[in-house]
Amino acid sequence: GDSVTQMEGPVTLSEEAFLTINCTYTATGYPSLFWYVQYPGEGLQLLLKATKADDKGSNKGFEATYRKETTSFHLEKGSVQVSDSAVYFCALSPDYKLSFGAGTTVTVRA
Amino acid sequence: DVKVTQSSRYLVKRTGEKVFLECVQDMDHENMFWYRQDPGLGLRLIYFSYDVKMKEKGDIPEGYSVSREKKERFSLILESASTNQTSMYLCASSLTGRFEQYFGPGTRLTVT
Repeated sequence: GDSVTQMEGPVTLSEEAFLTINCTYTATGYPSLFWYVQYPGEGLQLLLKATKADDKGSNKGFEATYRKETTSFHLEKGSVQVSDSAVYFCALSPDYKLSFGAGTTVTVRA
Repeated sequence: DVKVTQSSRYLVKRTGEKVFLECVQDMDHENMFWYRQDPGLGLRLIYFSYDVKMKEKGDIPEGYSVSREKKERFSLILESASTNQTSMYLCASSLTGRFEQYFGPGTRLTVT
């Protein structure tokens, strides 16, 4: 079945550092891909999405590109802030259901 | 903005109790979902509903049931709570034809 694998955390960074979280997927068709973020004590929020190959999703300084050839959707941010400390989930959706990765905890230190 | 609310943020129940978790969305979404979130496992789908009174099992339905009597409300029921059901429970909703899901804040359930 469809599945998502994302890099294990936790990841600890200093403010203004570059962040990359790797995500690869296995799917039979051409799913939509998502990054969700969960801030401490809150539910998940959609961070960005891409619906077809070579699409780039972006939001709040984060970017991810749908790479069909490498079945990847890596999340990047050029300069992180303390407020970016959260758990990040990669997810795919071939239909109206979502399959999530295990989540990556990111802590940004001032 | 879409708003998904859950009845409790924290809940403590005893083994064997019947537990109800309530979820309400205010955007007229057809689809509603219940997930549980456990460290290292991400989110796993318990049940989802695509219309009133309609439901389908997700990946881990054992020990759970659901009810959807009104479009805006989706309830998760633990018939006889067990300690292995201690977890964070998240509700979500989406529009048919749109893959983005909108999540509530979660209910952290502890079964002792």
